[in-house]
Amino acid sequence: DAKTTQPPSMDCAEGRAANLPCNHSTISGNEYVYWYRQIHSQGPQYIIHGLKNNETNEMASLIITEDRKSSTLILPHATLRDTAVYYCIGDGGGADGLTFGKGTHLIIQP
Amino acid sequence: DADVTQTPRNRITKTGKRIMLECSQTKGHDRMYWYRQDPGLGLRLIYYSFDVKDINKGEISDGYSVSRQAQAKFSLSLESAIPNQTALYFCATSDRDPDERGGYTFGSGTRLTVV
Repeated sequence: DAKTTQPPSMDCAEGRAANLPCNHSTISGNEYVYWYRQIHSQGPQYIIHGLKNNETNEMASLIITEDRKSSTLILPHATLRDTAVYYCIGDGGGADGLTFGKGTHLIIQP
Repeated sequence: DADVTQTPRNRITKTGKRIMLECSQTKGHDRMYWYRQDPGLGLRLIYYSFDVKDINKGEISDGYSVSRQAQAKFSLSLESAIPNQTALYFCATSDRDPDERGGYTFGSGTRLTVV
């Protein structure tokens, strides 16, 4: 799996868009970019994934640069419940599990 | 009911005791995983299983063993618990279909304390 780099922490005001960056310059052509989040000590929760195209679902949007070396997760209207650690992970679909870094601790401020 | 259920949720055990953590899933996924998480760190892979006949060691398998009793059940054992195995343990599942890249589903975790 590709090595990813994320800022250790970010703040965002409630109601504003939260933009979380991820650098994955070594990602290979068949690796998807996945985002998960972990609220307090709960199990990680899947958010969104993409390969080349931008993606949107009910939780978030994912913007992937054309060269696929970086991506941004966008939470359009952050709420206090979005405070969590967000993990960006490259996954080629192999059976050998996900490799987690330390992620970004996103703090939503009231 | 949760898609991935872990039992127990919390456990305190003594050094040297054998302990088993259990995981069951209703997702119908072939692949199952055990991770551990230490404070302030990301998750690290202990063992994973592609199907009931396939068991593989992960990054930190020493001191642990697993059993895949059925497609839906994957248990983790600590043969002789030691204090540095105090951690949060997560079970996860995923689908092996490469087109079904819907992500992994995680359980709620087991908080294990070894005293």
